Amino acid sequence: GENVEQHPSTLSVQEGDSAVIKCTYSDSASNYFPWYKQELGKGPQLIIDIRSNVGEKKDQRIAVTLNKTAKHFSLHITETQPEDSAVYFCAAIDTGTASKLTFGTGTRLQVTL
Amino acid sequence: EPEVTQTPSHQVTQMGQEVILRCVPISNHLYFYWYRQILGQKVEFLVSFYNNEISEKSEIFDDQFSVERPDGSNFTLKIRSTKLEDSAMYFCASSENRGAGGEQFFGPGTRLTVL
Repeated sequence: GENVEQHPSTLSVQEGDSAVIKCTYSDSASNYFPWYKQELGKGPQLIIDIRSNVGEKKDQRIAVTLNKTAKHFSLHITETQPEDSAVYFCAAIDTGTASKLTFGTGTRLQVTL
Repeated sequence: EPEVTQTPSHQVTQMGQEVILRCVPISNHLYFYWYRQILGQKVEFLVSFYNNEISEKSEIFDDQFSVERPDGSNFTLKIRSTKLEDSAMYFCASSENRGAGGEQFFGPGTRLTVL
């Protein structure tokens, strides 16, 4: 089955700086990669996703890149704000059943003033 | 904006008791899921459900677990005889489609505490 690795586990940046979180996946057939933001005591919230037919997708301050050859994808947050502080999870869809999301281990992002 | 809702937000139970966690998926969604998250760990898939039957289940989803869509709006997870290790956050999710075309939207979760 799919295996997703995520780095770093914690990330501290100053407000206004950029943050980058990286993930690798094992199943070369995986074709859908969402990113979720989880605030304390809440459920994961989908913030951006990318499909394997594109290499990059951007939504305001958030962008995701995908390298299918290397089997890795990254989340980029620019001009970070205190409200960006949360745990971020990458995930990949299991192409066998196309229903199961396999999550990374999470990155705790802290944006300091 | 439509959202997935879950009740209760927190459930405390004694080991060996049965619990039912409830979810109301987004109304036009056809695919439903349960995931769990042990404190401080990643989110783990439990089961997916479509057309009134289980599509896939993980090794965690053993005979003590069952899912049901008792009516047109609710989706439930039952744990028949809870164990201490079942303590976790349980998230329901739903999607309109499956695979790459189906963004999964998560509910706020139910925190299950087994004493």
